[in-house]
Amino acid sequence: GAGVSQSPRYKVAKRGQDVALRCDPISGHVSLFWYQQALGQGPEFLTYFQNEAQLDKSGLPSDRFFAERPEGSVSTLKIQRTQQEDSAVYLCASSWGQMNTEAFFGQGTRLTVV
Amino acid sequence: QKEVEQDPGPLSVPEGAIVSLNCTYSNSAFQYFMWYRQYSRKGPELLMYTYSSGNKEDGRFTAQVDKSSKYISLFIRDSQPSDSATYLCAMKAPPGGSGGSNYKLTFGKGTLLTVNP
Repeated sequence: GAGVSQSPRYKVAKRGQDVALRCDPISGHVSLFWYQQALGQGPEFLTYFQNEAQLDKSGLPSDRFFAERPEGSVSTLKIQRTQQEDSAVYLCASSWGQMNTEAFFGQGTRLTVV
Repeated sequence: QKEVEQDPGPLSVPEGAIVSLNCTYSNSAFQYFMWYRQYSRKGPELLMYTYSSGNKEDGRFTAQVDKSSKYISLFIRDSQPSDSATYLCAMKAPPGGSGGSNYKLTFGKGTLLTVNP
């Protein structure tokens, strides 16, 4: 497809379980972003990749969160030992370059920790 | 105080009404201003963006930026039921900005709009 693709769309995890969320950006997009959107809130920045380099991970809430983009295209956001407060929609966005204003968002992965 | 403030609503209007959505911000480094539309259970979709101050019009949508007041607006004319969604403002600084503000978007909470037929 032409857009940003995220999988799974929905994930239910038991507290303490590890999860992995996948993002397929638009082909050729250099920049990739992860955002977290809690219910009733705007998206909050988590991390930023330029190609395979993770240039900013300042928004990751704790060391249980880890993101990678080893070949500069597909990215995975991993959450270890999930907690109830991790329940949110995780959005991936990509853009042509760092300074390009238009970032295209995927539909998100809705994570519910029970 | 958050960097970007947006009244979450909800806002309910009749079809055909003019809708005004607003955000205020505190970071004077912000120069790029965007409005995203987010339908339920979907990702945000870029509607409008403006650079620095001024107005931009696209069909039924007009975006305004007043940097002196740190205030941005989105106007929707002749609103339609299909405009019912959450509207998010977002902003970022230009290249050279500090703290990552030149690439990461800072969003408002979003305003939930319902246009009734």
